[in-house]
Amino acid sequence: EVQLVESGGGLVKPGGSLRLSCTASGFTFSSYGMHWVRQAPGKGLEWVSSIIPSSTFIYYADSVRGRFTISRDNTKSSLYLQMSSLRAEDTAVYYCARVRERGFAELDFWGQGTLVTVSS
Amino acid sequence: EIVLTQSPGTLSLSPGERATLSCRASRSVSSNYLAWYQHKPGQAPRLLVYGASSRAAGVPDRFSGSGSGTDFTLTISRLEPEDFAVYYCQQYGTSPFTFGPGTKVDIK
Repeated sequence: EVQLVESGGGLVKPGGSLRLSCTASGFTFSSYGMHWVRQAPGKGLEWVSSIIPSSTFIYYADSVRGRFTISRDNTKSSLYLQMSSLRAEDTAVYYCARVRERGFAELDFWGQGTLVTVSS
Repeated sequence: EIVLTQSPGTLSLSPGERATLSCRASRSVSSNYLAWYQHKPGQAPRLLVYGASSRAAGVPDRFSGSGSGTDFTLTISRLEPEDFAVYYCQQYGTSPFTFGPGTKVDIK
């Protein structure tokens, strides 16, 4: 069974940093592209970042470029999102999601999300 | 970036009715890489359609996607009680892989 479990969320002050993790199981993690998507309270889904299996190609939304860094460790079946210079508008539930097998960037499995709250 | 507009914002229908959701892109979506997701409160989003018209694994055939270029549609032929949710389109042909604002389908 495919499982994605996010962790690392919490309360952080503006300007602070946080590292999210996503632990995968039930599939060959090293073969799949992975994404982060977030949802601010009462708002819609917002794509954040993506990384291909080899980590060669990485993409970011304009709203986080230069502040967030996506990475992965295929030996640990884990995806990460290092977030720095956090702002109130980064407050959201952060989901990790897997690209569909043989897909391009459509996301067929998602975790349950981890809440990040940026507040003083 | 490609901006997606979804209409209507809210669709109030009864079980058994047909739902037609629209997604319009500010410019052509590369290779028609357009997906539809269903999202319920407290749950993970669920992929319904990819490539504009291909149903994802395990998705009932009452869900169908159509369209190309800048205009796309998700149709739910007969609403079941479990279909009341928010639906998002997403283009994934050009980074940033933007989502639309969503259409809420609620019970009339």
